[in-house]
Parts: sequence; structure tokens; C-alpha cells
Amino acid sequence: GENVEQHPSTLSVQEGDSAVIKCTYSDSASNYFPWYKQELGKGPQLIIDIRSNVGEKKDQRIAVTLNKTAKHFSLHITETQPEDSAVYFCAAIVTGNQFYFGTGTSLTVIP
Amino acid sequence: NAGVTQTPKFRILKIGQSMTLQCTQDMNHNYMYWYRQDPGMGLKLIYYSVGAGITDKGEVPNGYNVSRSTTEDFPLRLELAAPSQTSVYFCASSQDRVAFFGQGTRLTVV
Repeated sequence: GENVEQHPSTLSVQEGDSAVIKCTYSDSASNYFPWYKQELGKGPQLIIDIRSNVGEKKDQRIAVTLNKTAKHFSLHITETQPEDSAVYFCAAIVTGNQFYFGTGTSLTVIP
Repeated sequence: NAGVTQTPKFRILKIGQSMTLQCTQDMNHNYMYWYRQDPGMGLKLIYYSVGAGITDKGEVPNGYNVSRSTTEDFPLRLELAAPSQTSVYFCASSQDRVAFFGQGTRLTVV
């Protein structure tokens, strides 16, 4: 099956700086890559996604890039704010609705 | 919309006890999942279902059972609880590749 690796496991940035989280996947047939944000005591929530026919997607301060050749995708958060502090999960989907999640990145934004 | 609702939110079990974690969704999604989340280990899939009457094992099914008699409900059963089952459990449902998670159940087995 698919194997998704996520780095780093923890990340601290100063408020206003950018944060980048990277994921790699193993199955070249994966074609959908969502990112989830999990705040303390809550379930993960979808924040952005990208499909394999697109190289980059932006939504305000959040962007995701995909390199199909290298089989990696990244989450970029610009102008970070304290409310961005959370655990972020990447995922890959090969077919249907079978999600393969990364191990998560705990992001801390220091005011 | 309530989305995905899990009960209970917290539970302490003694070794060998059994319990059922409840999950219900009101979005008419065909796909439903149970994950466990251990510190630093991400989300591990326990069981999933592609529709009423159909269930299948995920990565870590041992010690658990599920049923899916209706589209809305997907309960997870723990038989003979063990300390290794101490974890946070998340139920999710999805449609068109977008997953919605419940708030989680924090289970401690002592």
C-alpha cells in the first residue's frame, strides 16, 4: 500500500515568519493530497487539498505544492499567526476514499 | 449540521472490560472510518466501511470489531480491553475524498 512520510515532526517559528511542512509518498498512482489541521482537543479538519493534475494551489496564507516526478508535496504557511499553532497532517489517496496519513507535524508559532 | 458525532468523549476502562464507542454522521456519507491516534504516531486506520453492511480491516484491527447496519452509524467495539488500547479514537466519514472527523474519544485502560 501507500506510504506517506512527513517532516519535520515538530516546528517552531516566530510570528510573521513562514512555515513549510513536507511530505513524500511512495505510490505513483496517488492522485489526491489533502492537508488537515488538528487543534488541541479536536478532530482534524481539512484546510487545503491538491489534485495530481495541478502543481500549486493557494488559499490566502496557505499554499500547497506538488511535484509528481519526485513524489513529494508541501504545505506553506506565510505570515504565521499564533492561531496557526496546531498539528498538521498530510495525506495521499490512491483510489476511492482510502486515506494514507503522514505522522503529523506539531507547529508552534511564537508570539 | 452536526457532522460526525462521537460518544463518549472520555472513558476509563479496566483491563478485560469491554465497551462500544459510538459514531454517527448526518451527511449521508457512504465511507466511514475508525482511527486511533497515539502520541507522535499519526493516525492509524483500525476499520473502515464503504457502505451499510460492508466493513473491512485497516492497519491495526486486532482487539476491535465494527458493524455498519445503517449509513449513519458505525460503532467500534473493544472486547477485553488492554493497556495497549489506551489512545485517542477518531471516527470519520467521507464523500468525494473529503473526510470529516469527530471530536475524538480519549480512552484509558488501567
